[in-house]
Amino acid sequence: SYELTQPPSVSVSPGQTARITCSGDALPKEYAFWYQQKAGQAPVLVVYEDRKRPPGIPERFSGSSSGTMATLTISGAQVDDEADYYCYSTDSSDNYRGVFGPGTKVTVL
Amino acid sequence: QVQLVQSGAEVRKPGSSVKVSCKASGYTFIHYGINWVRQAPGQGLEWMGWISAYDSNTKYAENLQGRVSMTTDTSTNTAYLDLRSLRSDDTAVYYCARSTTPLNWFDPWGQGTLVTVSS
Repeated sequence: SYELTQPPSVSVSPGQTARITCSGDALPKEYAFWYQQKAGQAPVLVVYEDRKRPPGIPERFSGSSSGTMATLTISGAQVDDEADYYCYSTDSSDNYRGVFGPGTKVTVL
Repeated sequence: QVQLVQSGAEVRKPGSSVKVSCKASGYTFIHYGINWVRQAPGQGLEWMGWISAYDSNTKYAENLQGRVSMTTDTSTNTAYLDLRSLRSDDTAVYYCARSTTPLNWFDPWGQGTLVTVSS
């Protein structure tokens, strides 16, 4: 079955840049989406269609994609950005079933 | 505002079934679909499947085929998740989330429903 790969954790100092990668063989053909989940809360969409930002999401969140890797960048990370981040995409070879990456814990300290 | 409100926590015994509801408001229900996503304690997100509120077309995760059913009631703008033959590893928080298709973004999400499977 299709899998997306993410690093388990990323640590960054406040004000610095955090980059979270997501690798998958279908990413050259399919969009990546990014979700932020804070402890005890439902996930929230932060980037859609590789690089678009929903209304209300701070500009410090940005996305990009090249080949088999998508990247979520948090520029000038804040303590409030500490959360788990999940990438999501679909498998065009499996009737477009959805799949989440394993998640990346971002620590800002 | 667009909102999804889920039913309350459930406790079930192994081998039984559970039905979780997700009531939508603030938008035209049949213009979107509903995804179901679950999260076991301390684990990541798992996509379970999607149902179109327009024509009830469904896509299920391969590992849940045969145990899961997703339905909608357009008279009450409510989506339902049925999971059968429950096992202890089905213990999780179950979320519903709106999207046009599984290929699109999920927004918003419901608040989550904890299902505990224990003898």
